[in-house]
Amino acid sequence: EPEVTQTPSHQVTQMGQEVILRCVPISNHLYFYWYRQILGQKVEFLVSFYNNEISEKSEIFDDQFSVERPDGSNFTLKIRSTKLEDSAMYFCASSDSLGSKKLFFGSGTQLSVL
Amino acid sequence: SQQGEEDPQALSIQEGENATMNCSYKTSINNLQWYRQNSGRGLVHLILIRSNEREKHSGRLRVTLDTSKKSSSLLITASRAADTASYFCATDPNRDDKIIFGKGTRLHILP
Repeated sequence: EPEVTQTPSHQVTQMGQEVILRCVPISNHLYFYWYRQILGQKVEFLVSFYNNEISEKSEIFDDQFSVERPDGSNFTLKIRSTKLEDSAMYFCASSDSLGSKKLFFGSGTQLSVL
Repeated sequence: SQQGEEDPQALSIQEGENATMNCSYKTSINNLQWYRQNSGRGLVHLILIRSNEREKHSGRLRVTLDTSKKSSSLLITASRAADTASYFCATDPNRDDKIIFGKGTRLHILP
């Protein structure tokens, strides 16, 4: 069964450093998302991406965050200068249809900012 | 603003009993979905109910939707130990591309 893959599974970084979280969505999907979850709490929407541009973003997704789809398969989330409060599990998700909006999630990247 | 709120926050029941979780939301929606999350893993889609539907079944799952009360419930019948997980409702507000998740209900099935 096709799945969304995320790398790395764990990322440890120093405060102020840049990190790039990588995702390979399901190949025929068109809609891509990043969510984050702090310590098993609520799942927070960060950004949605369609047709090579951001379609929605939350208040969390400030100027320190950016997303890219550099080729036909990868979808990345970059945090330019990490803060302690960026420590969380980051999930990538994709969907094949705006109508159904059934999301397929990756296993996540646990980001720890020291 | 928080769109979905699940209730209760945590639920422990004996294996074989039915588990009911509720979700309330604030704005009008196109669909409502329920997802499951095992500890430390990604979310897995369980079931989607459209705004013009009132009830939907999938195996041991039964979902209801009351758009007048802006609420939904997820019923898991004949619970099993493997059902232990967190359950989240998710809504897509009209005219939005994003899907908003609630805080989840942590379900623990006791042997």
